[in-house]
Amino acid sequence: GESVGLHLPTLSVQEGDNSIINCAYSNSASDYFIWYKQESGKGPQFIIDIRSNMDKRQGQRVTVLLNKTVKHLSLQIAATQPGDSAVYFCAENAGSGGGADGLTFGKGTHLIIQP
Amino acid sequence: DSGVTQTPKHLITATGQRVTLRCSPRSGDLSVYWYQQSLDQGLQFLIQYYNGEERAKGNILERFSAQQFPDLHSELNLSSLELGDSALYFCASSVIGTPYNEQFFGPGTRLTVL
Repeated sequence: GESVGLHLPTLSVQEGDNSIINCAYSNSASDYFIWYKQESGKGPQFIIDIRSNMDKRQGQRVTVLLNKTVKHLSLQIAATQPGDSAVYFCAENAGSGGGADGLTFGKGTHLIIQP
Repeated sequence: DSGVTQTPKHLITATGQRVTLRCSPRSGDLSVYWYQQSLDQGLQFLIQYYNGEERAKGNILERFSAQQFPDLHSELNLSSLELGDSALYFCASSVIGTPYNEQFFGPGTRLTVL
C-alpha cells in the first residue's frame, strides 16, 4: 500500500508547551487514521483515532486534526509533560476499501521534552 | 499493559534457522495482527487472522507463516532466517476484524539473527 509519512523525525518542546506533530498521507482511499505512541522498549499504544467524515476529534489533552484536501493529519498535545516523551506514529487504513485490514504506519516523530 | 502477551521477549538465533513467536490476544478479542518493526522499514503489517481464519495479508515473506488456534492464540513462524529478519515483531489484537477497531499491541519479541 501507499505510505504514510511524517514531516519531522525529531521534535523538541519545552515542558508545559503545546506540541504539534504532523503527518502527510498519500492514499486518498484512506478513511481511518490513528495516532500511536511508542515508548522505548514497548509496543505502540493507541492515543486517538479519527474517521474521514470528521475533521477534528478531541481526547484528554490531545486533539487530532484531519485535512483531507491536502491529505494532512496532525496531533496536538496540550501542556506537554515529561511522560509524553516517546515516538509518535500516524497510521492509516483504507477501511471501506476492502483491502488489508492491517494498518500502514508512518516513520514516526521522536518527541523530546525539555525541562 | 495492553492485555496482549507475547513470548519470548528476546530471541537470538543463527541464519538458516526457524523460530516460532507466540501471541495471546486480549480476552475477548477475535482478531490478531502481526507487524514487523525494523530501522529501515519501520512498522509493517504482515498478516491478520480473525477467529482462526486468515483475513488479510500485508508485506509478509513466503518464508514466514502464521496461524491462529481455536483458543485464539497465534503463532508466527519464521524460517530460513536471514540477517535482515532481525527486527521487533509485534502482535496486536482487536475485538472484531473490521478496520475501524482499535488494535492493542503487545510488548513485542526482539529477534536477532546472527
